[in-house]
Amino acid sequence: DIQMTQSPSSLSASLGDRVTITCRASQGIRNSLAWFQQKPGKAPKSLIYAASSLQSGVPSRFSGSRSGTDFTLTISSLQPEDFATYYCQQYNSYPITFGQGTRLEIK
Amino acid sequence: QVQLVESGGGVVRPGRSLRLSCAATGFTFSNSGMHWVRQAPGKGLEWVAIISHEGSNKFYADSVKGRFTISRDNSKTALYLQMSNLRAEDTAVYYCAKDQGYGYGSSLGMDVWGQGTTVTVSS
Repeated sequence: DIQMTQSPSSLSASLGDRVTITCRASQGIRNSLAWFQQKPGKAPKSLIYAASSLQSGVPSRFSGSRSGTDFTLTISSLQPEDFATYYCQQYNSYPITFGQGTRLEIK
Repeated sequence: QVQLVESGGGVVRPGRSLRLSCAATGFTFSNSGMHWVRQAPGKGLEWVAIISHEGSNKFYADSVKGRFTISRDNSKTALYLQMSNLRAEDTAVYYCAKDQGYGYGSSLGMDVWGQGTTVTVSS
């Protein structure tokens, strides 16, 4: 199985900050990487697919990038609604696997 | 708009069975692979299974293989998860999610999720 190692596990930041969350795959997954946002008690919401493609309706302050087996989610300027838990996911091969999550909190 | 609505969750004793349903609207259901994903209380997301758009290809997580069966009825635009021999560790919120592709070979990623249905396995 492909392991997805996400870091950090938690992060405190302020409104307007630029934040970066990283996910490393244990083997090559091409661009088959997605990012999801989840708020307490709610379903996950798809933000990015194919490593860097924004889902329809997702604000442009969210972006994704890839360098080999390292993937990054960047939020350029934190807004109040961005405080949530973020998960990466590889869908290159089965079983599909998720990172353990990054909890983004208000500083 | 695209919508997925899960149902069928509840409290069930270990070893018993339960069937979850997911009603799909707002898109051409028969053109999309479909997933089940679960989340145990206070834990992260765990992929459970995928079924291809016409139902011929299915893949499962090892943790549920042989106990859970994913199926679909395109005439009813419905997805199902038949769960048998349930264990305490199956306790979770179960989400259905739409794939961006047909679900053959490999996934193209999930774009829409339902709100989830809660399954509790307890004696």
